[in-house]
Amino acid sequence: DGGITQSPKYLFRKEGQNVTLSCEQNLNHDAMYWYRQDPGQGLRLIYYSQIVNDFQKGDIAEGYSVSREKKESFPLTVTSAQKNPTAFYLCASSDLAGVEQYFGPGTRLTVT
Amino acid sequence: GENVEQHPSTLSVQEGDSAVIKCTYSDSASNYFPWYKQELGKRPQLIIDIRSNVGEKKDQRIAVTLNKTAKHFSLHITETQPEDSAVYFCAASTVGNEKLTFGTGTRLTIIP
Repeated sequence: DGGITQSPKYLFRKEGQNVTLSCEQNLNHDAMYWYRQDPGQGLRLIYYSQIVNDFQKGDIAEGYSVSREKKESFPLTVTSAQKNPTAFYLCASSDLAGVEQYFGPGTRLTVT
Repeated sequence: GENVEQHPSTLSVQEGDSAVIKCTYSDSASNYFPWYKQELGKRPQLIIDIRSNVGEKKDQRIAVTLNKTAKHFSLHITETQPEDSAVYFCAASTVGNEKLTFGTGTRLTIIP
């Protein structure tokens, strides 16, 4: 399972705390993405980045923040402003020249 | 923006029979349509994709058809096997725009 990694696999936090999810890729891909997966709702795009030091909001960016300081890294912070943060979070990357997205193994976040 | 609808949400098929999953999209500019398979607890993985200059593409037991006029595309799995049991997602995008819009998924169960 090389290529794109996410850590940790499971994460537990108390309500009101910010938490940062890690995503690293060694595929030399320019574009990286964060998705949220909830039962019956498919994959919803949170943020994406096509180049270092630049990123765009996806469909459900409220309550989340990202940074892209290095090509291989795209961490996601789930802030206390996110009303329903418990979910499965998937990171993905793709080559700008193509569109196939490669997914990481995911992080399951539980906030109580 | 793009909207992708996927049906059915669940599908049970006798082993050896065929399975068909259908998706519709709204943006006539979309020209890339991948299908991802997600096994339980695992990451989504691309199984087949099609571009709008092609009407059908086949890879062993799986095939995808595209009707640009009607703006719908379908996944066909023949001679189904137990390992085909998974959640399948369709998606749509415009080549050059790396943002994929996903359908809500179909949980396929193969009955032995």
